Amino acid sequence: EAQVTQNPRYLITVTGKKLTVTCSQNMNHEYMSWYRQDPGLGLRQIYYSMNVEVTDKGDVPEGYKVSRKEKRNFPLILESPSPNQTSLYFCASRPGLGRSTNEKLFFGSGTQLSVL
Amino acid sequence: AQTVTQSQPEMSVQEAETVTLSCTYDTSESDYYLFWYKQPPSRQMILVIRQEAYKQQNATENRFSVNFQKAAKSFSLKISDSQLGDAAMYFCAYRSAANSGGSNYKLTFGKGTLLTVNP
Repeated sequence: EAQVTQNPRYLITVTGKKLTVTCSQNMNHEYMSWYRQDPGLGLRQIYYSMNVEVTDKGDVPEGYKVSRKEKRNFPLILESPSPNQTSLYFCASRPGLGRSTNEKLFFGSGTQLSVL
Repeated sequence: AQTVTQSQPEMSVQEAETVTLSCTYDTSESDYYLFWYKQPPSRQMILVIRQEAYKQQNATENRFSVNFQKAAKSFSLKISDSQLGDAAMYFCAYRSAANSGGSNYKLTFGKGTLLTVNP
């Protein structure tokens, strides 16, 4: 089954304790991206990657890092989490460049992060 | 930069009735995509319907249809014969159709409309 898998689904941590949220897709997609969702703000892009070793900032990259060492994986790293990073996080992927006949972004099931 | 506005934070509808969710957007581009996503309590993001700006015909998917007014930059979602399973948060989203780089694959979302369906 084609899917984007995120782990964990829920995470509670404390300020300053490094954490990684994993994301993996099995569709051989070039493009992967991270969003955060906050009440009253909708979803906002954190980082994206066009392919292996190619990453770039989205609209709200501060406090986050990403890496793309393999095509299928795109982990989100919080080196020193703070309470304002408490949010619902989504990983997403799609095929690469060009207009796709199936214009669709595949989303993971979300990770609810609480930073105390 | 593009913006997407959903002016209705919450809406409610009676089961079997019709409801329309509003969305307006601002862009200087002529070619783009518009989407409606549904997010039920499970938090899953489900694509409901998409519209390509160069197509004049309004998209439909079963009980879901859109009213796309390009000149007015409006993209409303109509849900007919509402069902209890339609209760969810609905997000309107915009994506550029330009192929000038990865930044154009970004979806710009509205703040969402929480739809309640009353039995």
